[in-house]
Amino acid sequence: DAMVIQNPRYQVTQFGKPVTLSCSQTLNHNVMYWYQQKSSQAPKLLFHYYDKDFNNEADTPDNFQSRRPNTSFCFLDIRSPGLGDAAMYLCATNFGLGTNEKLFFGSGTQLSVL
Amino acid sequence: DQQVKQNSPSLSVQEGRISILNCDYTNSMFDYFLWYKKYPAEGPTFLISISSIKDKNEDGRFTVFLNKSAKHLSLHIVPSQPGDSAVYFCAASDNNAGNMLTFGGGTRLMVKP
Repeated sequence: DAMVIQNPRYQVTQFGKPVTLSCSQTLNHNVMYWYQQKSSQAPKLLFHYYDKDFNNEADTPDNFQSRRPNTSFCFLDIRSPGLGDAAMYLCATNFGLGTNEKLFFGSGTQLSVL
Repeated sequence: DQQVKQNSPSLSVQEGRISILNCDYTNSMFDYFLWYKKYPAEGPTFLISISSIKDKNEDGRFTVFLNKSAKHLSLHIVPSQPGDSAVYFCAASDNNAGNMLTFGGGTRLMVKP
């Protein structure tokens, strides 16, 4: 059974039209991450939550926001998508502790901006 | 500035032979390294990891080697199987744990039958 679920798998939006991507996890873990992966590039951390504590990466544009209403759900909001925001968006949670800790990713949402 | 680099975007190997995927890093604070494997339309899945206190970790057909002085690690897959065809990402962290990862750009491995 999938432990990190992302919806939808594919999302098409228009330039400048707000879009929300969703993620849920069944592990009841306190940390959730959002990564952006553009084609043939490294996944890049946008932000993460430790419980309700939001941690933004320094170079994440203000256009990207996130909400975590409860432990299970986390949302990525793109307020005004540009063509450069077309990418795979990956949600993850952690599993294990210390050197046994791993990130467990969802299947991702492929965002297209027209 | 990329702190984790995978300089080979793709690698093609015959089934049964060894696949060697390479990764270089620049941040000397990195102390934990991981390899993730990604199939199309799926998220990355954890494959194998190594702490900076070790120079080798083995798990079945997969072995990761770490050369701290060269800031280089490699993933060996032997024997390679067609099902190993995927994109492999090298990742590193500086908190001796598998979180807050910095990823490399990935290497696409194709294993030919």
